[in-house]
Amino acid sequence: GQQLNQSPQSMFIQEGEDVSMNCTSSSIFNTWLWYKQDPGEGPVLLIALYKAGELTSNGRLTAQFGITRKDSFLNISASIPSDVGIYFCAGQYPGTYKYIFGTGTRLKVLA
Amino acid sequence: GAGVSQSPSNKVTEKGKDVELRCDPISGHTALYWYRQSLGQGLEFLIYFQGNSAPDKSGLPSDRFSAERTGGSVSTLTIQRTQQEDSAVYLCASSFEGRNEQFFGPGTRLTVL
Repeated sequence: GQQLNQSPQSMFIQEGEDVSMNCTSSSIFNTWLWYKQDPGEGPVLLIALYKAGELTSNGRLTAQFGITRKDSFLNISASIPSDVGIYFCAGQYPGTYKYIFGTGTRLKVLA
Repeated sequence: GAGVSQSPSNKVTEKGKDVELRCDPISGHTALYWYRQSLGQGLEFLIYFQGNSAPDKSGLPSDRFSAERTGGSVSTLTIQRTQQEDSAVYLCASSFEGRNEQFFGPGTRLTVL
């Protein structure tokens, strides 16, 4: 199935460091979503973006909807051990109910 | 409060057998989605329900896959004549119509031997 390009695929960071990950697409989306998935569980929504250029924060998380509507990034500031997990982006095609998910960024935080 | 529930949590079956996976969405959520997640991969869209109808079945990988939803609530994903490549975690999500926040269930891990 179709998936978005998400990078990096995985990263090891030290506790307290900032993290940045991004998604790019060849298609335009009208909504970008960022999810976190813990082992054995379903993804949980972190941030939703609805307008090109929109910058939204949720605690230590900040995400932006790219101006071209073809990309988005997620930043995590001052990482903590519980940030460990897999982060997915998802884009919604205009005029549809379909969401396309990224391949995921696996984050590991070293205490 | 009750979230999205899925059953069974794990299913091991033999190649060629049929399986049924169940999803109980959050009460009042009219939109329901099925996704497939292979090991180490992202989520692959399978099908979307609006009430009991499925306006988008474009993600179903073959005619061995089908899904239905009754009473605007419970949904069942059926895989006939399972193949080893069907092994994956099958996730269900629900939301209010027109709202982007999908609430996911814990998934059913399907293993086809």
